[in-house]
Order: sequence, then C-alpha cells, then structure tokens
Amino acid sequence: KQEVTQIPAALSVPEGENLVLNCSFTDSAIYNLQWFRQDPGKGLTSLLLIQSSQREQTSGRLNASLDKSSGRSTLYIAASQPGDSATYLCAVEVAGNKLTFGGGTRVLVKP
Amino acid sequence: DGGITQSPKYLFRKEGQNVTLSCEQNLNHDAMYWYRQDPGQGLRLIYYSQIVNDFQKGDIAEGYSVSREKKESFPLTVTSAQKNPTAFYLCASRSAAAYEQYFGPGTRLTVT
Repeated sequence: KQEVTQIPAALSVPEGENLVLNCSFTDSAIYNLQWFRQDPGKGLTSLLLIQSSQREQTSGRLNASLDKSSGRSTLYIAASQPGDSATYLCAVEVAGNKLTFGGGTRVLVKP
Repeated sequence: DGGITQSPKYLFRKEGQNVTLSCEQNLNHDAMYWYRQDPGQGLRLIYYSQIVNDFQKGDIAEGYSVSREKKESFPLTVTSAQKNPTAFYLCASRSAAAYEQYFGPGTRLTVT
C-alpha cells in the first residue's frame, strides 16, 4: 500500500529565505506527483504536477523535483514571502486515477 | 465562472442523524471525488466516480454513501453508521484529458 510522508510537519522561516519542502513515497509505481497549497479552512489549490517521466517542473518562484527511484520529491520556494504561509501537501497518483496524500507541511514565513 | 461549489460551508448535526453534503461542478469533468481531512492531517479518499451512474469505494468508505445521477453532481451522505463524522470534507473533480484534480472550498461538519 502506497504511503506518503512529509517531513517536517511544520516549518518557520524569516521572509526572504528559500523554502525546501520534502515528500517521500513508498511505492515508485506512480503516474504523477502533485503539490498543493491549502490555506486555513479552505480547499486545495494545485501548484505543480510532475509526470512520472519528468524530473522537475517550474512555475515562477516554485520548483518541484521528482526522483522516482528513491521515492522522493522536493518543492523549492525561492525568496519566501509572508503570503507563502500555508500548508503544502504532496500527493501521488496511483492506479485507478486515485491520489494518496501526505500529511502536509505547515509553513509560516515571518516578516 | 467555472468551478466546484460545496454547500453549506458549515454544517451541524446531532449524533444519529444522516446528513448530505452537496458538491456541484460546471467544469464538464468526468471524474469526481470525496475526501475527508482531519485536523493536522492529509486527505483520505472516501468515494470516487469516473462516470455517471458509477462509483467506487475509496480507503474509508464505511459509514458513507454517494450517488452520481448527473455529471455535474456528486452528493455525499454521512450516515449514522459513521463512528467519527466530525471532519472537513472536500470534493474534487478531474477531466479525463488532464491529470490535475480541482478542489471545492470544503464543508466543515460537526456532529455532537
């Protein structure tokens, strides 16, 4: 059974510092990996999706890498801002178009 | 203005009562999903449907039921058999031609 882990569970950084968020998964037979952002009490917003054949995806200050063989993905957020404060979740897609989610990393960017 | 709507935003029920959560999408997506989120945790899949009139159990389907009579709608009923129903419920949808899932704003259910 696929398990997805995100460590640390919470992270606090000063504004301007780069953020590094980690995601690991136990079964490398994935179709893709997605990173989401969730603000308190809200739904999820998709940030980046990496296909299993890709190594990374970039969007603005965000860059996500995928190492399928080692079961790891990393989300980098450059030059963090207070508006980046949120919970970040990763999810892997397995057979049957289903997503398995990690527990999330709660990020606080201090001004 | 396309998107996914969930209503209501907050729902309160007494223990022993069934309650139905609404999820509607106008994105013309084929697949729809229901997730449950508990405080400080990730999402767990309750039910999903890839086409109208068909749905499958997810990882935690016990105590829940769904229907998919229309492409746009995928209501979730939380029955009295669900032992711990208080949670944040999220609905999502996805196009057959793409991989991203799009999420609604969620319904927070409190059962006392």
